[in-house]
Amino acid sequence: AQSVSQHNHHVILSEAASLELGCNYSYGGTVNLFWYVQYPGQHLQLLLKYFSGDPLVKGIKGFEAEFIKSKFSFNLRKPSVQWSDTAEYFCAVNTLASNYQLIWGAGTKLIIKP
Amino acid sequence: DVKVTQSSRYLVKRTGEKVFLECVQDMDHENMFWYRQDPGLGLRLIYFSYDVKMKEKGDIPEGYSVSREKKERFSLILESASTNQTSMYLCASSLLAGGVNEQFFGPGTRLTVL
Repeated sequence: AQSVSQHNHHVILSEAASLELGCNYSYGGTVNLFWYVQYPGQHLQLLLKYFSGDPLVKGIKGFEAEFIKSKFSFNLRKPSVQWSDTAEYFCAVNTLASNYQLIWGAGTKLIIKP
Repeated sequence: DVKVTQSSRYLVKRTGEKVFLECVQDMDHENMFWYRQDPGLGLRLIYFSYDVKMKEKGDIPEGYSVSREKKERFSLILESASTNQTSMYLCASSLLAGGVNEQFFGPGTRLTVL
């Protein structure tokens, strides 16, 4: 069965630190990849997505993610985090095999210390 | 802006009660989804609908049913609530099925079953 793994469930960083959140998926075919973010008390919203082309995609609020097909990975990065980045981050994948339904990772709770 | 609204932010019900959760989207989206979100498990799809009166089971449909009588409204029904249905319920909509179509989420309903 297809799955999405987010290895870190909780991450605590200080402001200005660099961020990398891991996401790995298990599917050998063509994938569409997404990162969603849920700020405290707010809706889940799309941060960025990849479906083809340049494997380095840029999203809102200075986030970017790199698709590495050989590693089945789509890690989320930000060079310098801010207190306002405190949120829960979800990686999700859809594929032909999933009938293009999203398969979600468990989420990573990110806490930024001011 | 797409708006997805859910009828309640918080709901407390007793075991055995019938529970209705309603979701309305205002962007004429074809597809609507119901998920439950539990800590450490990410989002799990309960049901989705790709058209009025059409519904498809997701990964965890047991104990739930849905209704879509109008394009903008998608209801989740717990026929006889149980304590293991205590969870956060998220509704989402998307313009088209699958692929890279972004899903837009409502604020969620936190349901507690006593």
